[in-house]
Amino acid sequence: DQQVKQNSPSLSVQEGRISILNCDYTNSMFDYFLWYKKYPAEGPTFLISISSIKDKNEDGRFTVFLNKSAKHLSLHIVPSQPGDSAVYFCAASRALGGSQGNLIFGKGTKLSVKP
Amino acid sequence: GAGVSQSPRYKVAKRGQDVALRCDPISGHVSLFWYQQALGQGPEFLTYFQNEAQLDKSGLPSDRFFAERPEGSVSTLKIQRTQQEDSAVYLCASSYPPGDRAPYEQYFGPGTRLTVT
Repeated sequence: DQQVKQNSPSLSVQEGRISILNCDYTNSMFDYFLWYKKYPAEGPTFLISISSIKDKNEDGRFTVFLNKSAKHLSLHIVPSQPGDSAVYFCAASRALGGSQGNLIFGKGTKLSVKP
Repeated sequence: GAGVSQSPRYKVAKRGQDVALRCDPISGHVSLFWYQQALGQGPEFLTYFQNEAQLDKSGLPSDRFFAERPEGSVSTLKIQRTQQEDSAVYLCASSYPPGDRAPYEQYFGPGTRLTVT
């Protein structure tokens, strides 16, 4: 049973517009959420994170929103650029109960930003 | 200063062969993780080291999988008697703090793509 779900396998956006990538989770014990970006033949690259005690975290063009009651988070990229075209993974972690912080990933959403 | 490196980048093994995959984490990083990524899926946790201690191996799919980090830096993931279902990208990640302390950002290597024929 998937604990982290990214229900959109792909997303296509025009350059300059906003990209919104969504992620849902089922485990209320998760206390830290991360987004990674992955280009072909490379490892995932850390993008942005958010603690469960916050509802928003912003870094340049990237903003992550967390809605704990809905167990939902989203990544906003604005404005989108062609170089943002990649697969985006949502990941969650929990520290309670002595967990070692291993990340639980969604299946990813492939973002295509068209010039 | 360099990131996480992994070798080899690509490995083709015949079914039944043993393979060894190497990970060089970022210098000084305490925590080291191995993940397996099947085609079209997200990475899935295999095992975790804090320095040289393997604190969690709950994700290893069978006793054919073995990992070590004897001196608390370089790690090797070994797969014995490879099977076709072992074909995947094997990712290594490291982070500075112990795994149970925030922040939990992990830094990934490029992965080793294993193909078992």
